[in-house]
Amino acid sequence: EDQVTQSPEALRLQEGESSSLNCSYTVSGLRGLFWYRQDPGKGPEFLFTLYSAGEEKEKERLKATLTKKESFLHITAPKPEDSATYLCAVQAPSNTGKLIFGQGTTLQVKP
Amino acid sequence: DTEVTQTPKHLVMGMTNKKSLKCEQHMGHRAMYWYKQKAKKPPELMFVYSYEKLSINESVPSRFSPECPNSSLLNLHLHALQPEDSALYLCASSQDGQGSNIQYFGAGTRLSVL
Repeated sequence: EDQVTQSPEALRLQEGESSSLNCSYTVSGLRGLFWYRQDPGKGPEFLFTLYSAGEEKEKERLKATLTKKESFLHITAPKPEDSATYLCAVQAPSNTGKLIFGQGTTLQVKP
Repeated sequence: DTEVTQTPKHLVMGMTNKKSLKCEQHMGHRAMYWYKQKAKKPPELMFVYSYEKLSINESVPSRFSPECPNSSLLNLHLHALQPEDSALYLCASSQDGQGSNIQYFGAGTRLSVL
């Protein structure tokens, strides 16, 4: 069964305390893995897309990496404004545009 | 510009009302999506339009009726909804219906059914 599992469910960090969010996936023939950020009451905001194992992408304090079984979102020296829910999703093998989402990790960064 | 615009931002309706949600994008995307999101859950796919044709209906009840008048517009017509249909409704678009394309989301419509 195709599925995406994110851990931890919730993460509390002090400002400046670096950490990583995990996204494990089981899907036949990965066509793309996507990271989104979602603030309360708003739509998901696209962060990164990764297509093949070994690929890495960076944006400000965020860095996403991909292996054959999981992806990590590394947050370096986070700030309070990084507080949000981070969603991981993979494309369904049917290649119809359907995304399979994980349950998300809610990050809280305290000043 | 990766903007997807949804209106209205908030909607309150009774169970006998008929209302519509609207979504617009001007990125030249040919695939558009409707999602439903309940609190503390990920978005759930409802419908996909690819090149203005309905390509996916995730067994959504008929009280939700999608419409794609042209490649830039997507509507969701609502009729006889139930209180459990209260949720954040998200619209997204992508270059086309191919799986590798990035989906860009709108800010959503917060729907409350009384």
